Amino acid sequence: DTAVSQTPKYLVTQMGNDKSIKCEQNLGHDTMYWYKQDSKKFLKIMFSYNNKELIINETVPNRFSPKSPDKAHLNLHINSLELGDSAVYFCASSQNLATEEYFGPGTRLTVL
Amino acid sequence: KQEVTQIPAALSVPEGENLVLNCSFTDSAIYNLQWFRQDPGKGLTSLLLIQSSQREQTSGRLNASLDKSSGRSTLYIAASQPGDSATYLCAATPTIKAAGNKLTFGGGTRVLVKP
Repeated sequence: DTAVSQTPKYLVTQMGNDKSIKCEQNLGHDTMYWYKQDSKKFLKIMFSYNNKELIINETVPNRFSPKSPDKAHLNLHINSLELGDSAVYFCASSQNLATEEYFGPGTRLTVL
Repeated sequence: KQEVTQIPAALSVPEGENLVLNCSFTDSAIYNLQWFRQDPGKGLTSLLLIQSSQREQTSGRLNASLDKSSGRSTLYIAASQPGDSATYLCAATPTIKAAGNKLTFGGGTRVLVKP
């Protein structure tokens, strides 16, 4: 069984559209994250949720809005997509902020 | 602000040779350090996690050391195999769980093991 899953795996869309990426973990973890990996392969944290509460919100445009309906899910909604949003977005989870993180397979977003 | 650096950015070795991957971090106030493997077009797989109180961790052919005082961690892969070809990333977790302070990743070392 996949521990951390993301959908879709690939997303190609036009500039200006609104899209969502979903993440689910079946590990029973309390903390979930969204990371962005840019074209240079650098990974940077965007958001972190602990027990459905936002605890880390890096400097990302407010067009990005995470939503956690329950501890097992953390979705990322992006409004008014821009070319620079093209990247691979990774979801991850951990038991808490201090423990090992497990990553999902990533969602490759391409904005045309 | 924590900065994590991995040198070299790419490494090519013949099969059977031992691999030594370096990771350096500027702020020694870390809670733990984690090594990941990323295959092309794939997600990250956690390899080893070293707590700040530990000096090393081992898993099979992998051994990771941590020297907080010098701000370095090294990942050793013994008797490399073509299947070890991937990008290896290290990431540091700070002791202060302030907003915006979570895993800081290095740029990765891309490894190619030639048969």
